[in-house]
Amino acid sequence: NAGVTQTPKFQVLKTGQSMTLQCAQDMNHNSMYWYRQDPGMGLRLIYYSASEGTTDKGEVPNGYNVSRLNKREFSLRLESAAPSQTSVYFCASSLSILVLTFGAGSRLTVL
Amino acid sequence: GENVEQHPSTLSVQEGDSAVIKCTYSDSASNYFPWYKQELGKRPQLIIDIRSNVGEKKDQRIAVTLNKTAKHFSLHITETQPEDSAVYFCAAGPDYKLSFGAGTTVTVRA
Repeated sequence: NAGVTQTPKFQVLKTGQSMTLQCAQDMNHNSMYWYRQDPGMGLRLIYYSASEGTTDKGEVPNGYNVSRLNKREFSLRLESAAPSQTSVYFCASSLSILVLTFGAGSRLTVL
Repeated sequence: GENVEQHPSTLSVQEGDSAVIKCTYSDSASNYFPWYKQELGKRPQLIIDIRSNVGEKKDQRIAVTLNKTAKHFSLHITETQPEDSAVYFCAAGPDYKLSFGAGTTVTVRA
């Protein structure tokens, strides 16, 4: 089992460019999440999807959109990247409530 | 929403000594309190968790205690080893919205 797979691992964008981070899990988990990790701030929830067909805002949703494409896939889109979105992004999934399995992370730099 | 504070931000211990990390939370509806370990350049991984109906849980050298009245919970690592060096995150939440603390960087000195 691959677990939670994120792509790309690294990305450099210019301010105003758009991009989509992809996430897929093969554990038949119901819930999926996107977090960002910044130094000294822990992990902050951007969006989550409690089940296929539903999405909800987390703590820091501004500037992001998500799509729960099917039970396996949950993508995060930056429509117009800003330097403040420079971060490491983690996708996670869970079967039972809140026991998270994380992906390897995607490091995004916005110039 | 939930606000989780974690202390200390850095912790240096001698190999074999104990390490204690403390977290406080604000939302009395929170009922799930996990701890994650993140080694340098790696993903966070769950090491232990506790739910609100339990006061203490132990797994080999790690233990977590919860005081719901005071809204705080702690991670205890005994007999620390070099492989315990990592960043540790506490988290708290009800339902699907886990809030994380800022992290504690633990360094175990040989």
